Amino acid sequence: AQSVTQPDIHITVSEGASLELRCNYSYGATPYLFWYVQSPGQGLQLLLKYFSGDTLVQGIKGFEAEFKRSQSSFNLRKPSVHWSDAAEYFCAVGRRAGGTSYGKLTFGQGTILTVHP
Amino acid sequence: GAVVSQHPSRVICKSGTSVKIECRSLDFQATTMFWYRQFPKQSLMLMATSNEGSKATYEQGVEKDKFLINHASLTLSTLTVTSAHPEDSSFYICSARDRGGGGYEQYFGPGTRLTVT
Repeated sequence: AQSVTQPDIHITVSEGASLELRCNYSYGATPYLFWYVQSPGQGLQLLLKYFSGDTLVQGIKGFEAEFKRSQSSFNLRKPSVHWSDAAEYFCAVGRRAGGTSYGKLTFGQGTILTVHP
Repeated sequence: GAVVSQHPSRVICKSGTSVKIECRSLDFQATTMFWYRQFPKQSLMLMATSNEGSKATYEQGVEKDKFLINHASLTLSTLTVTSAHPEDSSFYICSARDRGGGGYEQYFGPGTRLTVT
């Protein structure tokens, strides 16, 4: 069974500082990996995704993530955080296998990001 | 593109009544839609996978007779919470997989806040 762990429940950074949100996954093969962002009371917006190929993926809003197979990790990074980045961030692993549950996502617990001015 | 809507955004109902939530893909066809539930300050938990023209696949522990899912067309899936109770109060989010977009990515709706009094 697939699983995702986000070790940090809450992270606080100052505006302009760099950011790294951790994500570790468990999956029997090469996974599909995603990072989503959720503002309070809202749905999820896709930041970036990894399917195959280059292990460093670029996303929207200046975010990037690196897939490291040896560490089973897919950490999200941003070089300079803006106050508008304050939200909750979810890492997810997607099922590659076929059948009716193809594409099924398993989410991590989420990391709440607070940005200080 | 790839917009998913949900209706209603908020609903309050009395205990014992049923509530229907709609999930629509506005600009693409979705052979598969997913229904998630999110409790306050928690992650998304997949409830069921809805495939157009066939029965939904429910996750372990989700009551099929309580959470009725119908995926009648390629752009519409509905979740009906039957005989709702206060413990069913939650944030329900749907997602849809683009039939023509490679099939890997899910697009999320804005969510429906259900409060059962």
